[in-house]
Amino acid sequence: KQEVTQIPAALSVPEGENLVLNCSFTDSAIYNLQWFRQDPGKGLTSLLLIQSSQREQTSGRLNASLDKSSGRSTLYIAASQPGDSATYLCAGPNNNDMRFGAGTRLTVKP
Amino acid sequence: GAVVSQHPSWVICKSGTSVKIECRSLDFQATTMFWYRQFPKQSLMLMATSNEGSKATYEQGVEKDKFLINHASLTLSTLTVTSAHPEDSSFYICSAREGLAEQYFGPGTRLTVT
Repeated sequence: KQEVTQIPAALSVPEGENLVLNCSFTDSAIYNLQWFRQDPGKGLTSLLLIQSSQREQTSGRLNASLDKSSGRSTLYIAASQPGDSATYLCAGPNNNDMRFGAGTRLTVKP
Repeated sequence: GAVVSQHPSWVICKSGTSVKIECRSLDFQATTMFWYRQFPKQSLMLMATSNEGSKATYEQGVEKDKFLINHASLTLSTLTVTSAHPEDSSFYICSAREGLAEQYFGPGTRLTVT
């Protein structure tokens, strides 16, 4: 069974800072890993999907990397903005479904 | 990207009543649908997986007689919370997938049981 862990649980940074969110998973035989954003009381917004054949994916100020051998993925956010404040979830496949980490609650202070 | 909708977006019901939540795939055929539950400040926990035309597979600890799932068509799945209690109050999110393609998530339904 896939177990997904995210560190840190919460992070507060000043605006403009670059930051890294960490995700680790137990089953390295994954075919993809996905990062989501969730605003309070809202659903999930998919940010980046990394296939197992890829090492990283980029979208704007976001860059996600995947290292299957170590069971880790990182989400890098460059030049953070107050609008980036949200909970960030990573999820990996578990047989037929997806397993989520507990998330990192990010606060970017103006 | 593909779109998954949920209805209603929020619902309040009295303890002991039943409430139905719909999940629809708008522009693709959802051969598999998933139902997740999220309590405040916690992550999503899978409740059950359903394949179109088949009975749902429930995760350990999820009561199948309390959370009735119907996936009768390739675009619609419903979750019925029967005899709801305040502890069932949560955020319910569905997702859908066509074959082995990417999973797409609905916007969620906030259920409050009074």
